[in-house]
Amino acid sequence: AQSVTQPDIHITVSEGASLELRCNYSYGATPYLFWYVQSPGQGLQLLLKYFSGDTLVQGIKGFEAEFKRSQSSFNLRKPSVHWSDAAEYFCAVESYNTDKLIFGTGTRLQVFP
Amino acid sequence: SQTIHQWPATLVQPVGSPLSLECTVEGTSNPNLYWYRQAAGRGLQLLFYSVGIGQISSEVPQNLSASRPQDRQFILSSKKLLLSDSGFYLCAWSVVRGKEQYFGPGTRLTVT
Repeated sequence: AQSVTQPDIHITVSEGASLELRCNYSYGATPYLFWYVQSPGQGLQLLLKYFSGDTLVQGIKGFEAEFKRSQSSFNLRKPSVHWSDAAEYFCAVESYNTDKLIFGTGTRLQVFP
Repeated sequence: SQTIHQWPATLVQPVGSPLSLECTVEGTSNPNLYWYRQAAGRGLQLLFYSVGIGQISSEVPQNLSASRPQDRQFILSSKKLLLSDSGFYLCAWSVVRGKEQYFGPGTRLTVT
């Protein structure tokens, strides 16, 4: 069965520092992968997606993610974090041959000035 | 462009009372529709999804139900709320045969 693991429950970084949020997936073929962001009390916003092709995908708000098949990973990165990036981040993978997504448990990002 | 609406934004209901949460999507036809629940500090739990009018799939047994009376309307209901029904309820849509989902602003439900 497909699954998504986000090993970091909580990450704290200083404003201006670089960021990498980890995501590992379990899937039998090339998956469709997603990163979402959720600010407190709000819905989820799609940051970026990977379907095929270039393994480095660019998203909104200056985020990027790299698909690494050999490591079954799809880590989210940002070179310089802003205080407004403080939020919860969810990685998701398609559920094979269905219209559903499987979400990780999320990583809460705190940004200190 | 497509938009998704949820109401109410917040709701406080006593145990044993009924529930009706509504979700509507604009700007697309025949979307897949989803209801998720997010308990405090927890991830997303898929409750129901629908691929068309009157077609509802339930992911977890519970005292909640869902209906899709119109193409772009998705309703989450309960006849009698439990304390454990408290949480943040999110509606989402996706294009048929597409993969990414787009989420509404959510409804905060507190059962007292």
